[in-house]
Amino acid sequence: AQSVTQLGSHVSVSEGALVLLRCNYSSSVPPYLFWYVQYPNQGLQLLLKYTSAATLVKGINGFEAEFKKSETSFHLTKPSAHMSDAAEYFCAVSSGAGSYQLTFGKGTKLSVIP
Amino acid sequence: DSGVTQTPKHLITATGQRVTLRCSPRSGDLSVYWYQQSLDQGLQFLIQYYNGEERAKGNILERFSAQQFPDLHSELNLSSLELGDSALYFCASSVGVGTSTDTQYFGPGTRLTVL
Repeated sequence: AQSVTQLGSHVSVSEGALVLLRCNYSSSVPPYLFWYVQYPNQGLQLLLKYTSAATLVKGINGFEAEFKKSETSFHLTKPSAHMSDAAEYFCAVSSGAGSYQLTFGKGTKLSVIP
Repeated sequence: DSGVTQTPKHLITATGQRVTLRCSPRSGDLSVYWYQQSLDQGLQFLIQYYNGEERAKGNILERFSAQQFPDLHSELNLSSLELGDSALYFCASSVGVGTSTDTQYFGPGTRLTVL
């Protein structure tokens, strides 16, 4: 079985500040990990994914995430928050090739304060 | 725009009724996935179809069923609706069955309200 825990259902940062959204996973086999973003009244958009290649993954809109096996973590960061980053962010895990479903965390709503 | 389309955008119905949600995958994608997003349960995987055949099943209720047609569009049928079925239903599609090279692209969702 696999699961995802996102620490903090709501995170607020000032514009220009570092964004750090936390994700810890549990998986019995090497995982594939994903971050999706959901803007209000829209579907989910893939930000980035880890599939056992480089542990530091760069995504769209300046986001990146680092896979740390020892900590079972896949935290999402962005050096400088922009107002347009305000959205809900979901971490998801799938248990490698051949596993068809994504298991999502509860989501973290990011607010950016001007 | 992900290329995945879902209709209708909003659906309001009464308890006990039956509804059908429709999804058209991105051009070239053979897999279709259905997810339910609710406030209490979060985002949950329901079911996956690949090239017309059921591939994986998640937390899908027996009152719910799905199918994928030869033109690869998919329909999710929800019957004997209850208040608790009110949620946002997402469809996603991917090229293959779910390997490391696959990315699931999500549609805009159908918001179902059961009164």
